[in-house]
Amino acid sequence: GAGVSQSPSNKVTEKGKDVELRCDPISGHTALYWYRQSLGQGLEFLIYFQGNSAPDKSGLPSDRFSAERTGGSVSTLTIQRTQQEDSAVYLCASSQGGPYGYTFGSGTRLTVV
Amino acid sequence: AQKVTQAQTEISVVEKEDVTLDCVYETRDTTYYLFWYKQPPSGELVFLIRRNSFDEQNEISGRYSWNFQKSTSSFNFTITASQVVDSAVYFCALSGGIQGAQKLVFGQGTRLTINP
Repeated sequence: GAGVSQSPSNKVTEKGKDVELRCDPISGHTALYWYRQSLGQGLEFLIYFQGNSAPDKSGLPSDRFSAERTGGSVSTLTIQRTQQEDSAVYLCASSQGGPYGYTFGSGTRLTVV
Repeated sequence: AQKVTQAQTEISVVEKEDVTLDCVYETRDTTYYLFWYKQPPSGELVFLIRRNSFDEQNEISGRYSWNFQKSTSSFNFTITASQVVDSAVYFCALSGGIQGAQKLVFGQGTRLTINP
């Protein structure tokens, strides 16, 4: 596609439920990243996929968070047993590899009530 | 460890003033890349510029200019003759390593408000 697409754009969930956030990167981009931005805060790195290499999961805050990338394209970020502190905007970005500009999606605003 | 510091949390100026956003970084990599992103109220992150560690030339793009100084580990961003549409949160970011496409480490951002 023309840009990075994320869905849903907004998600309200009850505490304790599981949620899945989806990211469609730009076609041909080999690298995909997930970041989290809490209200009024900077961007916190979560996980990074590069081609067929093992993902860099060093930013995942707890074992309730996981992500996968199928077929080197679409990625899903899953948060199990959501907590109120998980409320944030979750941003996905992709790049074509190498130090080129990363293109970010519009994000998914997650609210845990 | 890599770190990016944007000491200015908020800046407010009157339209047409020049404004400089500071960015200081830390890295042990000899090859690294520095970025600036703009996040307007709509929330999307807009890529502004990328510089590599071997290119210390300053860059100018219209009203925007960037000053990269390795000696002080700084990559400052200046907006000349600011406009209301420049109001946004601006993030400086760092990516290290020769592979290049590694994770970006962001500063905390500077909220810039341009008043008419």
